[in-house]
Amino acid sequence: DTGVSQDPRHKITKRGQNVTFRCDPISEHNRLYWYRQTLGQGPEFLTYFQNEAQLEKSRLLSDRFSAERPKGSFSTLEIQRTEQGDSAMYLCASSRTSGRDIQYFGAGTRLSVL
Amino acid sequence: AQKVTQAQTEISVVEKEDVTLDCVYETRDTTYYLFWYKQPPSGELVFLIRRNSFDEQNEISGRYSWNFQKSTSSFNFTITASQVVDSAVYFCALSSGGNEKLTFGTGTRLTIIP
Repeated sequence: DTGVSQDPRHKITKRGQNVTFRCDPISEHNRLYWYRQTLGQGPEFLTYFQNEAQLEKSRLLSDRFSAERPKGSFSTLEIQRTEQGDSAMYLCASSRTSGRDIQYFGAGTRLSVL
Repeated sequence: AQKVTQAQTEISVVEKEDVTLDCVYETRDTTYYLFWYKQPPSGELVFLIRRNSFDEQNEISGRYSWNFQKSTSSFNFTITASQVVDSAVYFCALSSGGNEKLTFGTGTRLTIIP
């Protein structure tokens, strides 16, 4: 199996701009998760998908954030009107079926908002 | 609610010494899963182990061992004969009840001094 792939690895943007990240999970993994990690902290859950259905969203996911997984394969995470507080590492993970399964993580997208 | 506490923010040991990373968890659920992940400087979270709440057997994998004690709600991780390649941030995580997300601790930064 190829691992979880995230693109881009780094993104620098100006405040107010929109950004979109992509995650390609491990093939045949039904679950896909997004987490956010700020400096010195552990990853925090944002949202997850079972195939194409978005089943849970954290209160951390403000209205400026939207995630999709249109065909149940890759997923995108979009942040509109970025703010400096959005600067973080955005991590994607996938697992076979449920939360008790092992979640395999990608290398993340590091976002810097200037 | 679920919570993971990693009280040790940073640990430094000299190569070949043994080191133990502490993890204390909180959950009201009787069914839960505990995980350890390693995050090297590259940023990708690497899965190390998963343990379910019904299996209190300690586990050894090479130089790594894990001590699960429900009585103290702890899931500690020991590296024997540490090596420089063990330098990383280590995260303990919890998935409990019907929760699909992982709740992470704040991590322990381990530095192995040659």
